[in-house]
Amino acid sequence: GNSVTQMEGPVTLSEEAFLTINCTYTATGYPSLFWYVQYPGEGLQLLLKATKADDKGSNKGFEATYRKETTSFHLEKGSVQVSDSAVYFCALIRNSGNTPLVFGKGTRLSVIA
Amino acid sequence: GAVVSQHPSWVICKSGTSVKIECRSLDFQATTMFWYRQFPKQSLMLMATSNEGSKATYEQGVEKDKFLINHASLTLSTLTVTSAHPEDSSFYICSALGWGGPTGELFFGEGSRLTVL
Repeated sequence: GNSVTQMEGPVTLSEEAFLTINCTYTATGYPSLFWYVQYPGEGLQLLLKATKADDKGSNKGFEATYRKETTSFHLEKGSVQVSDSAVYFCALIRNSGNTPLVFGKGTRLSVIA
Repeated sequence: GAVVSQHPSWVICKSGTSVKIECRSLDFQATTMFWYRQFPKQSLMLMATSNEGSKATYEQGVEKDKFLINHASLTLSTLTVTSAHPEDSSFYICSALGWGGPTGELFFGEGSRLTVL
């Protein structure tokens, strides 16, 4: 079946530090991959996505590259800010039919000044 | 961008009562909506897939008689928690599939926090 595995948190970083949150997936075929962010007390927001191998999604300084050979979609940011503190979810969706997202368990990031 | 709205955003009810949560797609038609449940500090668990005009498809372990889902129009799906109990207290989130098919974006509601006393 389809599944997503994320590194477990919480992750605590100082402001301006480099961020990597690992995500690997298992899926039949070639899914689309997503990173969602959930700020405290809010719902989910799409952060970035990639729909095919070697695509790079980017937004707000965050990047992730769809690596088919390693079945990975690691999230990176060169310099985190306090406002980046949130829970980050890696997710995939099959590219056929109206199928739901399959989520990883989420990684809580805390950035301290 | 497309917006999905949930109502109410939070609700407190007594044990044994039923609670209805609405999920609306505000500027697009959504033939498919998904209902998720999120426990504290955990990921989202898919409860069911709601298709307009047909019965919802429930995930294994989700009681369909407990969590009634109705998708009567292309812009509205409802989740009714029947005879709610404290263990039903959770954060419920709906999402709707926007344009672009399965590779398009899933838009999420703001979530509804249910507390059962």
